[in-house]
Amino acid sequence: DVKVTQSSRYLVKRTGEKVFLECVQDMDHENMFWYRQDPGLGLRLIYFSYDVKMKEKGDIPEGYSVSREKKERFSLILESASTNQTSMYLCASRTGDNEKLFFGSGTQLSVL
Amino acid sequence: RKEVEQDPGPFNVPEGATVAFNCTYSNSASQSFFWYRQDCRKEPKLLMSVYSSGNEDGRFTAQLNRASQYISLLIRDSKLSDSATYLCSPAGGSYIPTFGRGTSLIVHP
Repeated sequence: DVKVTQSSRYLVKRTGEKVFLECVQDMDHENMFWYRQDPGLGLRLIYFSYDVKMKEKGDIPEGYSVSREKKERFSLILESASTNQTSMYLCASRTGDNEKLFFGSGTQLSVL
Repeated sequence: RKEVEQDPGPFNVPEGATVAFNCTYSNSASQSFFWYRQDCRKEPKLLMSVYSSGNEDGRFTAQLNRASQYISLLIRDSKLSDSATYLCSPAGGSYIPTFGRGTSLIVHP
């Protein structure tokens, strides 16, 4: 089975801290995605990556950056965490366009 | 028009009922369609894939109407464990997977 692993299930950070969310997949998937999910707003795409060292902005990239130095790892960085970044963050991967997504178990981030 | 639209519900049904959700999409180039199930505070998990006109898996049936650009999900003989949010996701045509906001289903005894 495909496994997408997110490093933390729950995370509490303070305003202004730099936050790293890590995601690793074990099936050699080309595409990887970072979403955030808030009640009533559904899944919103932050950044995605088609391949190693490639990254594209999604719908809400402001306040975030990403890194994909290796194919299996896609990191989301909050440069200076703010309270409005409190959310559930979900990483996902897939083999390519037209294919289903496999999600990690999510990181519930609270910024105080 | 939003790319993917779903009735948020909640759909509140008794055990054993049949319930159907619709999902409309705007990108006519979409080639594959997925229904995901998401439990509270958990990640979405794939329920069904639809590549042609439809798909059936036990109590679950998905139908695709390309002319009208909608996909439906039918659940027969609902179980308490079917209570969840169901997300519709067309794929292909834009390279970015799109999602509806989900339809909430509550199955009660």
